[in-house]
Amino acid sequence: AQSVAQPEDQVNVAEGNPLTVKCTYSVSGNPYLFWYVQYPNRGLQFLLKYITGDNLVKGSYGFEAEFNKSQTSFHLKKPSALVSDSALYFCAVRDGGGSYIPTFGRGTSLIVHP
Amino acid sequence: GAVVSQHPSRVICKSGTSVKIECRSLDFQATTMFWYRQFPKKSLMLMATSNEGSKATYEQGVEKDKFLINHASLTLSTLTVTSAHPEDSSFYICSARDKASGLWENIQYFGAGTRLSVL
Repeated sequence: AQSVAQPEDQVNVAEGNPLTVKCTYSVSGNPYLFWYVQYPNRGLQFLLKYITGDNLVKGSYGFEAEFNKSQTSFHLKKPSALVSDSALYFCAVRDGGGSYIPTFGRGTSLIVHP
Repeated sequence: GAVVSQHPSRVICKSGTSVKIECRSLDFQATTMFWYRQFPKKSLMLMATSNEGSKATYEQGVEKDKFLINHASLTLSTLTVTSAHPEDSSFYICSARDKASGLWENIQYFGAGTRLSVL
């Protein structure tokens, strides 16, 4: 079985400050982890993924995510937030030993204030 | 990059009519396409998974006779909402997985979504 949790419904951050959007997961095998971003009335866009290798993964638009196996987390980060980063962020996980269909979290609204 | 085109972007229909939503992969072949419904509180609900040339696999609780999915080619999948009712009003999103990518890659490319409003 696979599951993913995004514990924060909304994250507020001031422009220029670092941001973190949290994600934890549960799988029985090796986790394949993804982050997607959704702008209003749009579909989701792929940001980055972790399959194997370095725990720090760099993605689009200056975002990065850190895979932490012991804490079963894959938090999304950015050193300096932009107002244009305001959007809905989804974490997804797939169990490497199970279904090829990923499970999505419920989403976190990121609001960056000028 | 891979592009998925979803059409129409918005549709308003009367109760009892049927609505067809198209999802096309423009620059890649999609062996698998997914249909999601997004509720006002943001969460994505996977409705069904369709593989080219075979019947769609519906998630538990999704009426297959209500939401007809056809994946006739490697670049086109359609979702038809039959006899639509106001409770079917929602944001529907399709996604596609590139045939050229391995199963482990599994990046999904999403359409822009369709806002369905049933009066």
